[in-house]
Amino acid sequence: DAGVTQSPTHLIKTRGQQVTLRCSPKSGHDTVSWYQQALGQGPQFIFQYYEEEERQRGNFPDRFSGHQFPNYSSELNVNALLLGDSALYLCASSFSEYGTQYFGPGTRLTVL
Amino acid sequence: GENVEQHPSTLSVQEGDSAVIKCTYSDSASNYFPWYKQELGKGPQLIIDIRSNVGEKKDQRIAVTLNKTAKHFSLHITETQPEDSAVYFCAASTRGGGADGLTFGKGTHLIIQP
Repeated sequence: DAGVTQSPTHLIKTRGQQVTLRCSPKSGHDTVSWYQQALGQGPQFIFQYYEEEERQRGNFPDRFSGHQFPNYSSELNVNALLLGDSALYLCASSFSEYGTQYFGPGTRLTVL
Repeated sequence: GENVEQHPSTLSVQEGDSAVIKCTYSDSASNYFPWYKQELGKGPQLIIDIRSNVGEKKDQRIAVTLNKTAKHFSLHITETQPEDSAVYFCAASTRGGGADGLTFGKGTHLIIQP
């Protein structure tokens, strides 16, 4: 049974660029949540997608946007990258909005 | 919004001893409390969770207790082993499994001394 997968594993970008991160949920899951984890900190909630709609959003600017596809996979897009966007970006999937969340291995984004 | 405080930030115990990590939360509406273990270079792995209608839950060497009145919950690991060394995060949510997003503590680095 495949767990949550994320791509790419690592990414290096420069300030002002745009980036797209991808997530495939665990088999049978229909909901995807995205989190940002700065070094030495706990994950912070960015937003959640269910039925191809953004259902909940944390305290992140509009530069962070996302999408969920009919096969439940999801993308996180970040525009106008800042140095402070350097972090581990985690995707978690669940069965429904209220289900237990299972995390992927993350994408390490470095902004230079 | 919800705020979760976690203590201690670092915990060193001898192999075979018990470890306890404590968390407090601010929003009395929170009703779901998972614990995650994160090893270096990996994503968080769910180890146990508890909902507000239950005071205690146990799974082999791991147990979680919840005190809704005091708004705190704790993770207990007995008979610690070297593979228990990792960073542990508590989290809270006001809507089931995290429909409003999980709010995490800052983590506890658990070190098991041989």
